[in-house]
Amino acid sequence: EVQLVQSGAEVKKPGESLKISCKGSGYSFTSYWIGWVRQMPGKGLEWMGIIYPGDSDTRYSPSFQGQVTISADKSISTAYLQWSSLKASDTAMYYCARHQYSYGAFDYWGQGTLVTVSS
Amino acid sequence: DIVMTQSPDSLAVSLGERATINCKSSQSVLYSSNNKNYLAWYQQKPGQPPKLLIYWASTRESGVPDRFSGSGSGTDFTLTISSLQAEDVAVYYCQQYYSTLSFGQGTKLEIK
Repeated sequence: EVQLVQSGAEVKKPGESLKISCKGSGYSFTSYWIGWVRQMPGKGLEWMGIIYPGDSDTRYSPSFQGQVTISADKSISTAYLQWSSLKASDTAMYYCARHQYSYGAFDYWGQGTLVTVSS
Repeated sequence: DIVMTQSPDSLAVSLGERATINCKSSQSVLYSSNNKNYLAWYQQKPGQPPKLLIYWASTRESGVPDRFSGSGSGTDFTLTISSLQAEDVAVYYCQQYYSTLSFGQGTKLEIK
């Protein structure tokens, strides 16, 4: 069974750093892209970026380029999303999802990680 | 970047009636090399991650009820729920993958 399990909710202060994770299982982790999607409170889905764990090829949405870093450790089938200096506006639910390159859609999703940034 | 625009923003339909959601892309998402539209539809219920319903504009994901159907090509697409059930109350999103990736703003579907 394909599963993406994300790390737990985080409460941080502005200016702090953070790295959240997404562990894949039940499939060949290095053979599928993993994407990250932001959902701000009460808002829609925003694509942030995507990584191919097989070779760490990474693409970012222009809206998020330079704001976050996406990485992966294929030895432990885990993808990461990190911030060096959080802002209150980073408060959101963050989802990881497996990307089916053949038809361009996300077929499996993690449960989401809620990040709250508040002073 | 390709901008995806959905209409309407919200929709109320009676149980058993048809629901139609539209999605328009700012440029074509049809790949001429394989004649596939790189357009997907997702359903998101409160407190849950999105669920893939349709890809290639009209191919249902495994396990998705056949009351859900997708149509359209190029820049104009439609998600139709043929007979609305109570469990279909959700927000629906379209998404393109012709050029990088982007989502529509979402359409909230409620029961009338």
